[in-house]
Amino acid sequence: DADVTQTPRNRITKTGKRIMLECSQTKGHDRMYWYRQDPGLGLRLIYYSFDVKDINKGEISDGYSVSRQAQAKFSLSLESAIPNQTALYFCATSTSNQPQHFGDGTRLSIL
Amino acid sequence: QKEVEQNSGPLSVPEGAIASLNCTYSDRVSQSFFWYRQYSGKSPELIMSIYSNGDKEDGRFTAQLNKASQYVSLLIRDSQPSDSATYLCAVNKGSNYQLIWGAGTKLIIKP
Repeated sequence: DADVTQTPRNRITKTGKRIMLECSQTKGHDRMYWYRQDPGLGLRLIYYSFDVKDINKGEISDGYSVSRQAQAKFSLSLESAIPNQTALYFCATSTSNQPQHFGDGTRLSIL
Repeated sequence: QKEVEQNSGPLSVPEGAIASLNCTYSDRVSQSFFWYRQYSGKSPELIMSIYSNGDKEDGRFTAQLNKASQYVSLLIRDSQPSDSATYLCAVNKGSNYQLIWGAGTKLIIKP
């Protein structure tokens, strides 16, 4: 089983819909992150959480929200999806002194 | 100026040769440096981390860090077609392990 699991792996939806992407981990890491990746732009941080009670905005948080339901679970929501949120989304985890490990990603298309 | 810069490539290298990938960063307080490999449509995978000036070798991979010149490089010896991927450079500026990412260099190994 994957250490960092993202669901769904692929999603196609329409403009204006609410979407939730989920991430769960079995690595026991306290830190979790959500990124989006667009061609030519690299990885951009949306939100990150250092523990259950700690949520921080990244560089592109507008239009997104998150929930850290437990140490092992970190969900990303798009309240009203728009086409320019079409991207590849990654969840990552880490400890305080180790680099980040990534889930397999969610490919999201908004029509 | 981007905080972490990489040549987008593609960098084309013959099979068996040495591939050299470079990354420069702007913030002198950067402490930790990472190279991730990403195959098309897949998640980034950590291949090397380096924290102090000099070289660090792991199998066919060597990471080189020069903090005075603010660059970090990745050498891949005896390049194989399976090394064809995009290589992402990531830099951590402080103790919170929030990474700043380069946009990646696409490497093509030609048989």
